[in-house]
Amino acid sequence: DTEVTQTPKHLVMGMTNKKSLKCEQHMGHRAMYWYKQKAKKPPELMFVYSYEKLSINESVPSRFSPECPNSSLLNLHLHALQPEDSALYLCASSQVPASGNTIYFGEGSWLTVV
Amino acid sequence: AQTVTQSQPEMSVQEAETVTLSCTYDTSESDYYLFWYKQPPSRQMILVIRQEAYKQQNATENRFSVNFQKAAKSFSLKISDSQLGDAAMYFCAYRVNYNTDKLIFGTGTRLQVFP
Repeated sequence: DTEVTQTPKHLVMGMTNKKSLKCEQHMGHRAMYWYKQKAKKPPELMFVYSYEKLSINESVPSRFSPECPNSSLLNLHLHALQPEDSALYLCASSQVPASGNTIYFGEGSWLTVV
Repeated sequence: AQTVTQSQPEMSVQEAETVTLSCTYDTSESDYYLFWYKQPPSRQMILVIRQEAYKQQNATENRFSVNFQKAAKSFSLKISDSQLGDAAMYFCAYRVNYNTDKLIFGTGTRLQVFP
């Protein structure tokens, strides 16, 4: 079973709100990722967690704050976002970090910032 | 720099026919992996097929197969007996086998399937 579950599927938030996106996988994968995808563009890597430690931050603004509470969960905390942050946020996981393992994606969370 | 290029922004195919999507990449590495992902309107990225660079044999998954030309740095996807459900955006992606967790995507090809 190659399932990555994301909640919520849709989120509308104001620029002063604080919200979180959640991601869960039960495949025993030790690498987890956040990607951002704008319309008609490929996904862009935001963060990578390897063995529950942040290993890559692709110069993402601090209004996005990732958290990996345990090996199955990944959160993305959102605060003071801008309308241009509206996008599809994809969570993904792979079995072993820094390898050629396949990366499996969740269905994504649609974020609209108003 | 490692890059992935998909030169066909859009393609169309008739149901039951065959279509080939192109992908080229640039790398100086010898050990890497290549992927085709499908993204239907539901927006979930679904793995279609995967190829290890050290394997000469082309990967196949049911109606999907690749033509991997390592020297030419080409990795095309062939879809046989196209079905309406194949309509989606297809992304070619590249991943080095070590020291990085980055999956590098091409710009995508939108495939339309006509009945």
